[in-house]
Amino acid sequence: DGGITQSPKYLFRKEGQNVTLSCEQNLNHDAMYWYRQDPGQGLRLIYYSQIVNDFQKGDIAEGYSVSREKKESFPLTVTSAQKNPTAFYLCASSGRYSNQPQHFGDGTRLSIL
Amino acid sequence: GENVEQHPSTLSVQEGDSAVIKCTYSDSASNYFPWYKQELGKRPQLIIDIRSNVGEKKDQRIAVTLNKTAKHFSLHITETQPEDSAVYFCAASPQTGNQFYFGTGTSLTVIP
Repeated sequence: DGGITQSPKYLFRKEGQNVTLSCEQNLNHDAMYWYRQDPGQGLRLIYYSQIVNDFQKGDIAEGYSVSREKKESFPLTVTSAQKNPTAFYLCASSGRYSNQPQHFGDGTRLSIL
Repeated sequence: GENVEQHPSTLSVQEGDSAVIKCTYSDSASNYFPWYKQELGKRPQLIIDIRSNVGEKKDQRIAVTLNKTAKHFSLHITETQPEDSAVYFCAASPQTGNQFYFGTGTSLTVIP
């Protein structure tokens, strides 16, 4: 969906470094999500936010942090505490209410140098 | 919380044959079940969804069936084509909130 933009497409992290992945949407969606995708493990939820200035941990939040200062933006920081950050990261958004599909961005592939 | 299991993990079919992917869920409160298709290196895209007040939904060559009693739902693709080759994910969403619980994916290969 062209309404969700993730950047960069590829990202490399050095030892001990924090990196931030960007996610912007112009779909006027209230809810936004971050998923991590590893081969054979499907999509695992890292963090989600249902409204500005509020967010909740997902199943694998350790080593990650987020902020939601604007409705359109939900950046994800991969901290040095995340010991195995190599993965494909997907951002998604949806309407506030249940029974609505999530729309995904093109993803960011993060690798370790 | 919800637990979604998806089978098979890989599936190969001849072009023109049908493909069926099955998912089970654990939380009887789940009431929304989308299916996503993800081509290699690309974003997951919604292909069909079903809500718990409906038993079956069809869109051209794609159909989804839901059995609430048994807590399972299935994706059916008829007259498969090579461009159907991709990874397919099922998901379940509870009545409250909009968090999705995804299956582990099925890699479908359609052999020309």
